[in-house]
Amino acid sequence: EAGVAQSPRYKIIEKRQSVAFWCNPISGHATLYWYQQILGQGPKLLIQFQNNGVVDDSQLPKDRFSAERLKGVDSTLKIQPAKLEDSAVYLCASSFGRGLHEQYFGPGTRLTVT
Amino acid sequence: GNSVTQMEGPVTLSEEAFLTINCTYTATGYPSLFWYVQYPGEGLQLLLKATKADDKGSNKGFEATYRKETTSFHLEKGSVQVSDSAVYFCMGGNEKLTFGTGTRLTIIP
Repeated sequence: EAGVAQSPRYKIIEKRQSVAFWCNPISGHATLYWYQQILGQGPKLLIQFQNNGVVDDSQLPKDRFSAERLKGVDSTLKIQPAKLEDSAVYLCASSFGRGLHEQYFGPGTRLTVT
Repeated sequence: GNSVTQMEGPVTLSEEAFLTINCTYTATGYPSLFWYVQYPGEGLQLLLKATKADDKGSNKGFEATYRKETTSFHLEKGSVQVSDSAVYFCMGGNEKLTFGTGTRLTIIP
């Protein structure tokens, strides 16, 4: 069984530029999560999708971050414009169902904003 | 809202030592609790979980018991190995799950 795929693995941009991350979850997983993990901290949930609908985006900075999951499969997370404090690892995870199901994580995208 | 408080690290132990990493939670009702592990160069993966009071999760020699009276889910292992060196995250909640800050564990041969 293929795992959660993410790309790119690394990205370096200047502040005020835009960046997009892509995630392909495990086949058949209805729930998809995007997390932000700042160095030395635990992952923080940015947005959770159930199929192609948003379940929770309460911690997503909506003035600069956006995410979509068209057709309930792949997802993209975009930052526009980026700030220095956005430097972090962005993790995508998927699970069969909501809440109590095991989440399977991708390798993450390490973003550096200079 | 839900929150998870995890023992600060880093933790350094000698091989075969006993390990405890503390985790306590704040949540209404009966949250589900998880321990995730991140080995060097790898992604996060589930280590063990418990979904109700007095449940004991176990995997790879690690154990954690869901104790409602102390709102805790401490991770334990009787004899650690060098290969257990990793970052360990406690996670918990009801519909909304929250991660702790992580504990970096280093085992010295």
